[in-house]
Amino acid sequence: EAGVAQSPRYKIIEKRQSVAFWCNPISGHATLYWYQQILGQGPKLLIQFQNNGVVDDSQLPKDRFSAERLKGVDSTLKIQPAKLEDSAVYLCASSLRATSGSGGSYEQYFGPGTRLTVT
Amino acid sequence: AQKVTQAQTEISVVEKEDVTLDCVYETRDTTYYLFWYKQPPSGELVFLIRRNSFDEQNEISGRYSWNFQKSTSSFNFTITASQVVDSAVYFCALSEVYVRNTDKLIFGTGTRLQVFP
Repeated sequence: EAGVAQSPRYKIIEKRQSVAFWCNPISGHATLYWYQQILGQGPKLLIQFQNNGVVDDSQLPKDRFSAERLKGVDSTLKIQPAKLEDSAVYLCASSLRATSGSGGSYEQYFGPGTRLTVT
Repeated sequence: AQKVTQAQTEISVVEKEDVTLDCVYETRDTTYYLFWYKQPPSGELVFLIRRNSFDEQNEISGRYSWNFQKSTSSFNFTITASQVVDSAVYFCALSEVYVRNTDKLIFGTGTRLQVFP
């Protein structure tokens, strides 16, 4: 079974430029997550989708970050304009959690991440 | 407020030593889940275990074992007879799913384990 795919693996941009990351979850996984992992810290959730609806985006800096999940499969995370503090690894994960409030927490399977450097 | 604390920033051991990674959590929910993930140098987070707050039984999987104690809000992870391949950053995480309808993981800051031959 193929795992979570992400691209690109690495990206270097200058501040104020824009960037987009792509994620393809494990086939059949209804829920998709984007986490931000700053060096030396644990990952922090940016946004959670269930199918193509947003479950939680409370920690997404909406003035510069946006995300979409068209047709409930692939997802794209965009930053525009980027700031120096956005330098981090952006991790995508997916899980079988099918229904919000379904009463469970499932294993989340992570992709390899995209390492973003903003100069 | 929900929080996960991994006080050990870095641990170094020699191969075949046993090592315990500590995890302390804070939550006001009565029902929650705890997780451990491994992050090797390649960067991909690898799932190790999930425990429900109602299940306090210790678990053993090969050289790995977990000790869950609600009385002390701890969920510690022990590697027996460590190997060089165990070298990685290990994260403990909490999920409070029933109140907020999101099962997002709240991670600790991780413990870097280095196993020397």
